[in-house]
Amino acid sequence: GESVGLHLPTLSVQEGDNSIINCAYSNSASDYFIWYKQESGKGPQFIIDIRSNMDKRQGQRVTVLLNKTVKHLSLQIAATQPGDSAVYFCAENSNFNKFYFGSGTKLNVKP
Amino acid sequence: EAQVTQNPRYLITVTGKKLTVTCSQNMNHEYMSWYRQDPGLGLRQIYYSMNVEVTDKGDVPEGYKVSRKEKRNFPLILESPSPNQTSLYFCASKGNVMGEKLFFGSGTQLSVL
Repeated sequence: GESVGLHLPTLSVQEGDNSIINCAYSNSASDYFIWYKQESGKGPQFIIDIRSNMDKRQGQRVTVLLNKTVKHLSLQIAATQPGDSAVYFCAENSNFNKFYFGSGTKLNVKP
Repeated sequence: EAQVTQNPRYLITVTGKKLTVTCSQNMNHEYMSWYRQDPGLGLRQIYYSMNVEVTDKGDVPEGYKVSRKEKRNFPLILESPSPNQTSLYFCASKGNVMGEKLFFGSGTQLSVL
């Protein structure tokens, strides 16, 4: 079946540094990926998405990179701020009805 | 404000006592879904619904029921809760076009004693 996984359960960065959160997936036919942010006590919130016909997509302070050769995607957060502290999930949605989520990386931003 | 509303936020119950967690969305979304979130595991889909009166099993449907009598509501029913259903539950919705964003509720923390 599908599987989506994150590489590190916890990542600590200094405020102002860049953060990189990684994710791997198993299905080479996957064509749509999403990153979510989940703050404590809240539901996941959409951050950015990318389709398999792209290698890179940029948003405000965030960039998602997709490497289809090794089935890997990453979320880069520039100039990490305390408000970025949260759990980050990648998800795959190639089957319209189903989303497959990774287990999450907890990002700790140190002042 | 566009939102997905779940109730209750917290629920403690005992084994075997039927309960319902409600979910409502105000975005006229066709697609709604329930997930459970457990430590060390990603969100796992319980049930989903493509539209009114159309529901289907996700990856972990055992012990759960759902109904979709109205477009805006998608309640999750535990007929006879057991301790292994202690979890954090999320309802989500989106439109019926591939690539539409999935909107989540704030979650329901359920403890079954």
